[in-house]
Amino acid sequence: DAGVIQSPRHEVTEMGQEVTLRCKPISGHNSLFWYRQTMMRGLELLIYFNNNVPIDDSGMPEDRFSAKMPNASFSTLKIQPSEPRDSAVYFCASSLWSWREQETQYFGPGTRLLVL
Amino acid sequence: GQQVMQIPQYQHVQEGEDFTTYCNSSTTLSNIQWYKQRPGGHPVFLIQLVKSGEVKKQKRLTFQFGEAKKNSSLHITATQTTDVGTYFCAGLSGGSYIPTFGRGTSLIVHP
Repeated sequence: DAGVIQSPRHEVTEMGQEVTLRCKPISGHNSLFWYRQTMMRGLELLIYFNNNVPIDDSGMPEDRFSAKMPNASFSTLKIQPSEPRDSAVYFCASSLWSWREQETQYFGPGTRLLVL
Repeated sequence: GQQVMQIPQYQHVQEGEDFTTYCNSSTTLSNIQWYKQRPGGHPVFLIQLVKSGEVKKQKRLTFQFGEAKKNSSLHITATQTTDVGTYFCAGLSGGSYIPTFGRGTSLIVHP
């Protein structure tokens, strides 16, 4: 298995532009997580999907952020409009989910976003 | 909500010295996982602890889960330069289905 795939690996954009990050989870995994990592705030959970349905989006910073999971093999995280404070590494992770059991999360390589 | 605190935030050691990082939860955990992130890399799963007082070993790494299931530790014996990275704990409390990650402890090993 190729593991969790994320694209792009690096993104440099200007303030105000739309940014779309993509994730392909491991085949057969039914849970997907989007995280943001910065030096200041550490690893923050943004949103959690289970069986393609957003279960918890309380970590999404504000309305500029949106996430979708149209099918079991694809998810996007969109920032519109982007701001310099959105600069971070964004990780996607997937896992198998069973009720009240914490399964191993497999992280993708991350997208390093720089907003100028 | 649940909080998971990790200490220390950073630890510098000379190669060959031991290293320990501690994870403390504000609530009782049903289980806890440990991950390692190499510089420039992504978190990679190391181990999961489930039982009260559980101790697991992976070569030079020893993982412990507290009796009250509110704290955990990772101990590395005789550190090597390959141990460099940030170690995260992630705890799942009863009633929750989303694990909470600690801030991590960054280990720097000086040769």
